[in-house]
Amino acid sequence: GAGVSQSPRYKVAKRGQDVALRCDPISGHVSLFWYQQALGQGPEFLTYFQNEAQLDKSGLPSDRFFAERPEGSVSTLKIQRTQQEDSAVYLCASSQGQTTQYFGPGTRLTVL
Amino acid sequence: GDSVTQMEGPVTLSEEAFLTINCTYTATGYPSLFWYVQYPGEGLQLLLKATKADDKGSNKGFEATYRKETTSFHLEKGSVQVSDSAVYFCAGGGSNYKLTFGKGTLLTVNP
Repeated sequence: GAGVSQSPRYKVAKRGQDVALRCDPISGHVSLFWYQQALGQGPEFLTYFQNEAQLDKSGLPSDRFFAERPEGSVSTLKIQRTQQEDSAVYLCASSQGQTTQYFGPGTRLTVL
Repeated sequence: GDSVTQMEGPVTLSEEAFLTINCTYTATGYPSLFWYVQYPGEGLQLLLKATKADDKGSNKGFEATYRKETTSFHLEKGSVQVSDSAVYFCAGGGSNYKLTFGKGTLLTVNP
């Protein structure tokens, strides 16, 4: 079946621009996660949804980062007024409850 | 907080060599442990997992055993292939559902 999909795969933004990254989880998966992966590092947790409820946003690095999942399926990670330090790969993962997380291909964000 | 210590690379091996990548996890309680693999240009894929002490995860010739006393989950393969070249990530996740990842180990297998 279809896996987790993310779009766009690549995004180049000028410093100060807003960006929106989309995640389509595996159909029926209740849990959805966002991670940030800096170059040469492992992914780091950003935020977690169970259905439409955002249960944990402790990993969001600043109030410029905002995530939503209004209908409990597709999720969007928004970054306002992008900075160079926001350059990273943003990974989305989904799971059926507290089980194995399945990852999408990621969106590589480059802020110039 | 939780942390994962993973053997740093890069690791370069010849085809058919034995592979070990060390991983230890520090947390309150006993989390589930995972190995993910990232092939060039692709996303993270689950390689294997173990959910409790003494569990052995295995897949594609790779194995890892969850050692409770050391909270270790070392990845092994008896005979690597060129196609195994990738970045390998150890990760742990407890009842708080978050995954904590190591920094990754780049493996290159030469023919």
